[in-house]
Amino acid sequence: QSALTQPASVSGSPGQSITISCTGTNSDVGGYNFVSWYQQHPGKAPKLMIYEVSNRPSGVPDRFSASKSGNTASLTISGLQAEDEADYYCSSYTSATTRVFGGGTKLTVL
Amino acid sequence: QVQLVESGGGVVQPGRSLRLACAASGFTFSRRGMHWVRQAPGKGLEWLAVISYDGSDKYYGDSVKGRLTISRDNSKNTLYLQMNSLGAEDTGVYYCAKDRTTPEIDYWGQGTLVTVSS
Repeated sequence: QSALTQPASVSGSPGQSITISCTGTNSDVGGYNFVSWYQQHPGKAPKLMIYEVSNRPSGVPDRFSASKSGNTASLTISGLQAEDEADYYCSSYTSATTRVFGGGTKLTVL
Repeated sequence: QVQLVESGGGVVQPGRSLRLACAASGFTFSRRGMHWVRQAPGKGLEWLAVISYDGSDKYYGDSVKGRLTISRDNSKNTLYLQMNSLGAEDTGVYYCAKDRTTPEIDYWGQGTLVTVSS
């Protein structure tokens, strides 16, 4: 299974909004609503930020939102804050009953 | 609260085997699918394997199929990963992780570092 496609890096200034895309196929992102997003700070374990395409777990700020259209999912962070600087990964359930991650996107807050 | 604590990592010579363990607490272990995910140094997350709540179903990533075996002991609330014929490409941090009620990971352990080197 091939990794989902994410941009290697994105950046934005504090207070601005950024969007990270995650492109897969009909066999993963486009075929199921089990798309999740994870935030990972250096040296730390990933943290779930979004599940089932657009749902936020308790404790995740509502500045984080997500959606899906066809084979592409998107994560939007509005009102960027310094602590949002991290790596972000998308993940999807697949038709083979496996999981696949995106290659990761490094977010820099300028 | 959910806790996942990996152990068993370390330095291992190429071609050797290693078994990782993950002790789970804070949730009903026997009701959740469990995963192993790897992260090579400076690289992204790579999904390795998943095991169903009762151990009856196991699925693997293409890159590790045949060399890795995932298993669990629900009586001990512990997840395992048996790794054989290790190579340099297996170096990285290995995370165990649990599924939500949906087939999506919600909690991760802190990881255990495996270094394959002679």
